[in-house]
This record gives sequence, C-alpha cells and structure tokens, in this order.
Amino acid sequence: KQEVTQIPAALSVPEGENLVLNCSFTDSAIYNLQWFRQDPGKGLTSLLLIQSSQREQTSGRLNASLDKSSGRSTLYIAASQPGDSATYLCAVETSGSARQLTFGSGTQLTVLP
Amino acid sequence: DAGVIQSPRHEVTEMGQEVTLRCKPISGHNSLFWYRQTMMRGLELLIYFNNNVPIDDSGMPEDRFSAKMPNASFSTLKIQPSEPRDSAVYFCASKTGTPLSTDTQYFGPGTRLTVL
Repeated sequence: KQEVTQIPAALSVPEGENLVLNCSFTDSAIYNLQWFRQDPGKGLTSLLLIQSSQREQTSGRLNASLDKSSGRSTLYIAASQPGDSATYLCAVETSGSARQLTFGSGTQLTVLP
Repeated sequence: DAGVIQSPRHEVTEMGQEVTLRCKPISGHNSLFWYRQTMMRGLELLIYFNNNVPIDDSGMPEDRFSAKMPNASFSTLKIQPSEPRDSAVYFCASKTGTPLSTDTQYFGPGTRLTVL
C-alpha cells in the first residue's frame, strides 16, 4: 500500500526566504506526483504536476522535483511571501487497475511579514 | 466556470440522523471523486465515478455510507445513520477524461460535517 510522508509538518519563515518542502513515498510505481495548496476552509488547488518520466516542473516562484527511484519529491518556493501561507499537500497517483491519488498529511507553512 | 460546487458548506447533526452531502462537478468533467479529510487520517478517497458509474468504492468506510451519481451534473454522499466519528471535511473533486487519464482534479470547497 502506497504511503506518502511530508516533512516538516509545520514551517514558519520570515518573508523573502527561499524554502523547501519534502515529500516521500514508499511505492515508486507511480504515474505522477502532484503538489496542492490548501487554504483554511477551502478546497485544494493544484500547483504542479510532474509526470513519472519527468524530473521537475516550474511555475513562477515554485519548482517541484521528482526522484522516482528514491521515492522523493521537493517543492521549492523562492522569495516567499505572506500570501504563500497555506498547507501544502503532496499526492502520488499510483498504478493499478484504476489510478488513485494518495495524499501526504501536508506541511503547514507560515510566512511572517 | 463556477468550479466544483458543494452543499451544504457546514452541517451539524445529531448522532443517528441521516446526512446528505451534495456535489455539482465542473461542466464537461466526467470523473467525480469523494474524499474525506480528518486530522488523524488526512485526505482519503472514498469513492469515484466515471461517466456516472461507480468505479471503485473500496474507500467507503462502512455500509452506512452510500454515494450516487444520477446524472453528469450531480452526486450525493449519504451517511445513515451518522456517528460522531464521521465528523470530518468531505470534499468532492472532478476532472476530465477517465480516472486513468493524467489530468488534475479540481476540488470543491468542502462540507464540514459535525456529528454530535
């Protein structure tokens, strides 16, 4: 059974810092890995999707990398802003008869002004 | 597009009562997913549909839970009878293509359920 772990569970940084969020998964037989953002009381918003054949994806100040063989992904946020404060969830889409997303428990990020 | 619409946004009920959660997927999306989010277990997939047909309900915790999708624009998740341990945020998500296609899922705002 696929398990997804995110470290740290919470992170607080001053505005302007670059930061890295970590995600690890136990089964490397994945189709893709996705990073989502969740704001309090809101649903999830997809940030980046990395196909299993890709190494990284970039969107603005966000860069996500994938090392499928080691079961790891990182989300790099450059020049953090208070508006980046949210919970970031990593999810892997696993192989099988039908694909399913397995989510990590998330990293709660607070960017202090 | 209004995005995925869920109702109600908040529901407080007493143990033993029937609860019905509703979801309207994004128009044109033919895959629909129901998730449950709790502090203890995180985000878990309960059931998903493709073209209104349930594909996998192995995540449904008990027979007290049931889900239907009578048409492409509406789905319900019903809990009968409800129990305090069902308290959670329930999310609905939809996407284009099939559950096997690589398209991102679009999530609704969720329904926060509290069972007293």
